Parts: sequence; C-alpha cells; structure tokens
Amino acid sequence: GESVGLHLPTLSVQEGDNSIINCAYSNSASDYFIWYKQESGKGPQFIIDIRSNMDKRQGQRVTVLLNKTVKHLSLQIAATQPGDSAVYFCAEKKTDKLIFGTGTRLQVFP
Amino acid sequence: NAGVMQNPRHLVRRRGQEARLRCSPMKGHSHVYWYRQLPEEGLKFMVYLQKENIIDESGMPKERFSAEFPKEGPSILRIQQVVRGDSAAYFCASSPRDGTYEQYFGPGTRLTVT
Repeated sequence: GESVGLHLPTLSVQEGDNSIINCAYSNSASDYFIWYKQESGKGPQFIIDIRSNMDKRQGQRVTVLLNKTVKHLSLQIAATQPGDSAVYFCAEKKTDKLIFGTGTRLQVFP
Repeated sequence: NAGVMQNPRHLVRRRGQEARLRCSPMKGHSHVYWYRQLPEEGLKFMVYLQKENIIDESGMPKERFSAEFPKEGPSILRIQQVVRGDSAAYFCASSPRDGTYEQYFGPGTRLTVT
C-alpha cells in the first residue's frame, strides 16, 4: 500500500544546532512533496515543497532533500530556534489530495 | 489578504446531535479540501470540492458525513448524529488550482462530542 512515514516521533535539539527530520514514502509515482509545520492549536503551515525532478531545494534556513532511489525525504533546519518547536509533517501529493505522515515533534531546548 | 477562515474554532456536541463546520477559502481560491486530525496523528483527507461540485469524496465516511461548497457562501462539512469517535480537529484547506499547487490551511475546528 501507499504510505508516508517518519522515522522518529520526537526530536530534541539544542538552540543553535541544526535539525534534520526524516520521512520515508512508498509510492514511487509521487511527483510532489511538501513539508508542513504545525504549532499547537493551529493549522499546518507550509514550509517548503519539492518536485520529483529535483533532489534539493533551499529556503530561508530550511533545506529539503529528496532521494528517490531510497524513497526518502528530509527537512533540514539550520540554527534551530525556540520558535521552530512544533510538529513537522511531510506530505505527498496523490492526484488532488495530500497524504500526510504521522509527524515528528521538534523540541528545542536552550 | 485574509487566509482560510474556519468557524467555529471549538464546537461541543452531545451524541446524536448535528455538527456544522464552516470554511471560507482564501480570496480567489475555488478549490476546498477537508481533512480530519486525531490527537497525535497526521491529517487524513476527507473530501475535495470545487464550487457546486464534489470532486473526490474518497475519504468521507459513507454515513452521517456530507460536504458542500455552494456557489455563494462558505463550504460546509456536516456531521449528523455525532458519536464520540467523531471528536477530532477538522481542517479546511484551499488552493487556487486543482491539486497542483500548495494547499493553504485554516486554523481548524475542534469538535468534542460528549
């Protein structure tokens, strides 16, 4: 079956360090992936996306890497800040809908 | 430029009552999606609508749930005869075009069934 899963449910990092959140997917036909950030009590907020014809895309302090060979997606956050504390979801576009993973909780400690 | 609006933000219903959740998409967006999120889980797709049309309802339970997006007014997700298992956060997202572009999410409606 198709699924989008995450390796770690919780990631704790020290403020200023880099964070890496991983995601595995099983549908090799997927052509579009998105990372969302969800703070407590709020809706998901778009962070960055990547199409399958790319293997890397950079934004402000964030980088998404796509490895189609092993069906792996990662989100790198540089110089992690307390405001980055949230749950991060990867999502895979399947026709008109998004298939979400279960999420990784990022905790930033001083 | 207002984002996606959802109301109410919190809704409490007793078992057997009806719940109506409203979603106003971003200005200029004509595509609306509804997702459900249980605590500590990811969002699960429910339904995709365009104005006056249901495009994909593959994630909707077969009974008690319905959705509409009329020509005028917000999209409505309606749950009849609610049960405790319906307690969840319900998120609406909108996009300017059909699935190709990112979906912008609203703040959600948290439904509690007592």
